[in-house]
Amino acid sequence: DTEVTQTPKHLVMGMTNKKSLKCEQHMGHRAMYWYKQKAKKPPELMFVYSYEKLSINESVPSRFSPECPNSSLLNLHLHALQPEDSALYLCASSQDKGLIDYGYTFGSGTRLTVV
Amino acid sequence: GIQVEQSPPDLILQEGANSTLRCNFSDSVNNLQWFHQNPWGQLINLFYIPSGTKQNGRLSATTVATERYSLLYISSSQTTDSGVYFCAVERYAGGTSYGKLTFGQGTILTVHP
Repeated sequence: DTEVTQTPKHLVMGMTNKKSLKCEQHMGHRAMYWYKQKAKKPPELMFVYSYEKLSINESVPSRFSPECPNSSLLNLHLHALQPEDSALYLCASSQDKGLIDYGYTFGSGTRLTVV
Repeated sequence: GIQVEQSPPDLILQEGANSTLRCNFSDSVNNLQWFHQNPWGQLINLFYIPSGTKQNGRLSATTVATERYSLLYISSSQTTDSGVYFCAVERYAGGTSYGKLTFGQGTILTVHP
């Protein structure tokens, strides 16, 4: 299995809702990432989990809450979002950087609309 | 942080044409990848190429790390090649920590039949 699977593919939520995005990989990768991408812009890093521990938080507002229950699963919990949070949310994973052909594998993303 | 510049920003081709996309980066890097983002948003890894040359079918890439640039070659382009091509680089934070993947602004490729 060489894929990163994200669910749901599309999500519409109100500003008072609580929802979660899910990301799963079975490649044995030990690092997992959340990126946010606005239209016509490159992806921007939000969070990095390394060996199931949060290692980087790019000053993301607390209305975004990441969780890594195990080495294969990464969640992003959403609460009290604003319309400007509407974007494509991408999950990625990578192996330990000491291995050959180290690189990132991205999922197909969740397109989020906040109304 | 590392600056990544891609050129050209937009490229329009007729099917069958060849093209070269360029990525310049401002500092030494441990990782460089080329991605293709399709119209549905998926980022597809084309090459992991921090140095050297690789080929995969009609696509090939070359990174000259000492001169801080990478090139992506697309030959005999097809309409399915349309989309956004991103170059992304990473400089390790040191130790066992993972670095940050920094993307260029992308090249929007449109291939007409």
